[in-house]
Amino acid sequence: GAVVSQHPSRVICKSGTSVKIECRSLDFQATTMFWYRQFPKQSLMLMATSNEGSKATYEQGVEKDKFLINHASLTLSTLTVTSAHPEDSSFYICSARTGLTDTQYFGPGTRLTVL
Amino acid sequence: GQNIDQPTEMTATEGAIVQINCTYQTSGFNGLFWYQQHAGEAPTFLSYNVLDGLEEKGRFSSFLSRSKGYSYLLLKELQMKDSASYLCAVPSYNTDKLIFGTGTRLQVFP
Repeated sequence: GAVVSQHPSRVICKSGTSVKIECRSLDFQATTMFWYRQFPKQSLMLMATSNEGSKATYEQGVEKDKFLINHASLTLSTLTVTSAHPEDSSFYICSARTGLTDTQYFGPGTRLTVL
Repeated sequence: GQNIDQPTEMTATEGAIVQINCTYQTSGFNGLFWYQQHAGEAPTFLSYNVLDGLEEKGRFSSFLSRSKGYSYLLLKELQMKDSASYLCAVPSYNTDKLIFGTGTRLQVFP
């Protein structure tokens, strides 16, 4: 149980384009989903917390107009990187938790490369 | 505030036992997590301790002392595949977030 999927696993795009990443909880309902970013050999950095049906809460320094988060259902959250630039190239990871515990279950991550 | 400290790197030999320590300071305590993260992959959940003591799960055990603000992850019969980063995390006191340590990068040598 507690499986989280992410799609796509890898994406390469041109500078200026937008990229959408999907995060799904496959066998549980996720009241809260989280989006992280991780640069090589660095720690996980939380970008935002999203609760189903409400606006995401962004961490300080994360541009909400650039990283659009939609949590439309209890099993799906999407992160859209708008007008991507090479400095947005990173490993994006989502996680999900039920409302019952604090345990976060992570998706496999999406490696974004912006040329 | 909340703060987590764990060693940056550790090395060990295949077949050995290694203990990865984690100390934390938190306003309110609601459990402690350990995650494993292999290079280039996402973290995977290892354990959750909310009560004092040792919890064993196969080759991995996790210990918690709430009075000391201290936890450790014990890995027995080390295998090469155990080379990974091990992340200690505690729930944020008044939000849904997990506060992660920087992780301990463990290298297992033959």
